Parts: sequence; C-alpha cells; structure tokens
Amino acid sequence: GQQLNQSPQSMFIQEGEDVSMNCTSSSIFNTWLWYKQDPGEGPVLLIALYKAGELTSNGRLTAQFGITRKDSFLNISASIPSDVGIYFCAGSSLNYGGSQGNLIFGKGTKLSVKP
Amino acid sequence: NAGVTQTPKFRVLKTGQSMTLLCAQDMNHEYMYWYRQDPGMGLRLIHYSVGEGTTAKGEVPDGYNVSRLKKQNFLLGLESAAPSQTSVYFCASRILYNSPLHFGNGTRLTVT
Repeated sequence: GQQLNQSPQSMFIQEGEDVSMNCTSSSIFNTWLWYKQDPGEGPVLLIALYKAGELTSNGRLTAQFGITRKDSFLNISASIPSDVGIYFCAGSSLNYGGSQGNLIFGKGTKLSVKP
Repeated sequence: NAGVTQTPKFRVLKTGQSMTLLCAQDMNHEYMYWYRQDPGMGLRLIHYSVGEGTTAKGEVPDGYNVSRLKKQNFLLGLESAAPSQTSVYFCASRILYNSPLHFGNGTRLTVT
C-alpha cells in the first residue's frame, strides 16, 4: 500500500540547534501536513501545505511542499526543550485517500534532548 | 469548547470481551475518523465517516465496527477483542475533506 517515508526516525537535540526532518513518497500528494504529539496526548497540527513549492512558517517552524509534490520537509530553528516530542508528516493523494482526502501518516520522528 | 473528546482514557480487556469506544466532537464537523497508533507504525486509519449515518473502511478495519448515528458522535466497537488490538486509539474530526484533522487525546487499550 501507499507509504510515507519519514526520516530520521529519531534525533537528539541540544538547546539552540536547528532541526530538520523530511517525508518522501513514491507518488504525488495534494496536501502535506505536519503534526506534533506530546506524551499522552493526540497529535496537534503545526503546519498545513496545499500547493507545490509552498513554504510556510509558524514561529520557529518552517515547512515546504516539495516542487515534485512527492516530498516535504520541516525545519525547527533554535530548538528549545519544549520541542521534544514526536513529529508526524501526513499527506493525502488521489491514490490513497481518493475523493475523501483521507490522510496517510509517516511513522514519526522522535525528538529528544541530548543528555 | 471541548473539541474532540474520547472515553474512556484507559481500558484493559480480556481476550474475547467486547467494548465500545466513544468519540464526541462539538465543532459540527462532518468527517470523523478512528486511528490506531502502535510503536514505530505511525497512525493507521481503521474506519471513517463522511457524515451522519455513513461509515467506510480504512486501512486496517478487520475486527472493528463503527457507527455514526449522530453527527457529533462516532463509536468504535470491538466485538471480540484480541491481543493484536492492544494499541492507542485516536479519534479525529474535520469540517471538510481537505481541512486539517483535530485529534482527541486517545484511549489506551490493553487486551490480555
């Protein structure tokens, strides 16, 4: 079935560092979304992207909808301790969600603080 | 404004027992979804609904049933629980097919 490849699976951050993660697919997506999940809670939307090439910021977060429509990345600048959590990419395409626009999720990138 | 509310938060079942998970949203959203989250697997769609009285299968529907008798509620049923259904279950809703999902805080289910 359809898959989103999200990388890296996990990473350690030190306060102040910039962080980058991405998602790729073998097929074209119409929508890319980035969510963050804190322990014991549901995912919360960070950024939504709807057009190829679109670059959108939300505070220290920046995400881009790849020009080929097969990838997206999320950057976090000047990381702080509360950035830890699991970040998920999600997308919809006619191949997967059809006309209903159902989302398929990546497996997540777990952000932890360097000891 | 509560958003998406899931009950219960935790549940332990024995193999073969049945239960129903309730999802309620107060945002007048048309679309509602049930996902399961397993370690290293991300979120996988079980069933969804595009409006009151409608349901459809997602990626992993086997062993589950759903009902959407009222627009604000979406029920997920397990008729005969199996250990493979041990997971965290998330309900989500959205107003349109291409608008972002709003998630509840999850139900942690353990089947022994």
